Amino acid sequence: DAGVTQSPTHLIKTRGQQVTLRCSPKSGHDTVSWYQQALGQGPQFIFQYYEEEERQRGNFPDRFSGHQFPNYSSELNVNALLLGDSALYLCASCERTGGETQYFGPGTRLLVL
Amino acid sequence: AQSVSQHNHHVILSEAASLELGCNYSYGGTVNLFWYVQYPGQHLQLLLKYFSGDPLVKGIKGFEAEFIKSKFSFNLRKPSVQWSDTAEYFCAVKHRISGGGADGLTFGKGTHLIIQP
Repeated sequence: DAGVTQSPTHLIKTRGQQVTLRCSPKSGHDTVSWYQQALGQGPQFIFQYYEEEERQRGNFPDRFSGHQFPNYSSELNVNALLLGDSALYLCASCERTGGETQYFGPGTRLLVL
Repeated sequence: AQSVSQHNHHVILSEAASLELGCNYSYGGTVNLFWYVQYPGQHLQLLLKYFSGDPLVKGIKGFEAEFIKSKFSFNLRKPSVQWSDTAEYFCAVKHRISGGGADGLTFGKGTHLIIQP
């Protein structure tokens, strides 16, 4: 049973560029959440998707957007990258109904130069 | 907005010592509480969780945590630590909305635990 998978594992971008990160949820899960983990900090909630719509959002600017596909996989897009966007981006999945435990992927390490 | 506070950012213990990591949260409503662990080079894994019922919950690898509602606390404990417990530990809370469902977690900043052999 495959867990949560994310791609790519590492990414280097320059300021002002745009980036797309990808996530495939654990088998049987229909809800995907994205988190940003800066160095030495705990993960911070960006947003959550289910039924292909953004359902809940944390305190992140509109430069952060996402998408969920019919197969429940998800993308995180960040526009106009800033140096401060350098972080580990985590995807977590769970079952919408009755599933309150989120399972995390290995993350994508983004470095903005 | 809810927040989670972890008291110790770095803890160093010897093998066989007892462990207690503190966690306090700010939200006054009904909450679900979690402890996650991140071993070196690995992804976040669930250690244990509290939703309701017995406030003393047991997790994997001999860990347990006690929910004390009056103190807004959910401290993690282990009677005797091992070198393999070296990791980053995160406390997380989710306020429970009516109708259930999954929502974003609020994490503490984490505690880096080092166990010396």
